[in-house]
Amino acid sequence: GENVEQHPSTLSVQEGDSAVIKCTYSDSASNYFPWYKQELGKRPQLIIDIRSNVGEKKDQRIAVTLNKTAKHFSLHITETQPEDSAVYFCAASREDTGRRALTFGSGTRLQVQP
Amino acid sequence: NAGVTQTPKFRVLKTGQSMTLLCAQDMNHEYMYWYRQDPGMGLRLIHYSVGEGTTAKGEVPDGYNVSRLKKQNFLLGLESAAPSQTSVYFCASRFATSQYFGPGTRLLVL
Repeated sequence: GENVEQHPSTLSVQEGDSAVIKCTYSDSASNYFPWYKQELGKRPQLIIDIRSNVGEKKDQRIAVTLNKTAKHFSLHITETQPEDSAVYFCAASREDTGRRALTFGSGTRLQVQP
Repeated sequence: NAGVTQTPKFRVLKTGQSMTLLCAQDMNHEYMYWYRQDPGMGLRLIHYSVGEGTTAKGEVPDGYNVSRLKKQNFLLGLESAAPSQTSVYFCASRFATSQYFGPGTRLLVL
């Protein structure tokens, strides 16, 4: 089955700096890659996603890049703010199968220092 | 439109006890999932359902059973709880590619 590895496990940045979180996946057939943000005690919330036919996607201060050849994808947050502090999870799935379930990375705890 | 709801929010069980977690969605979604989340780990898929009356095993199904008798409800059962099942359980439903998570159930097994 799919295996998703995520790095780093913790990341501390100064407010205004950029943050980058990286994930690798094992199943070359995976074709959908979402990122979730989870605040303490809350449910995971989808913040951005990318499909395998796209190399990059942006939404205001966040962007995701995908390298299918290397089987890795990254989340980029620019101009970080204290409210960006949370745990971020990457995930991968195959959208061409019946299951269509997500395999998650182990998470990155991002702390933005004011 | 309540989205995805979970009952209960928190529960303490003794080893060997049984319980059922309820997930309900009012969005008419076909796909529903049960995940567990443990410290330092991402969410792991327990069971899933692609429609009313159908269920299937995920990555960590041992010790759990599920049922999807109605489209809007997906039940997760623990027949004989073990301390290793102490976790936060999240249910999700899916529309297109997006999964919508419930608020979670925190379960402590003593």
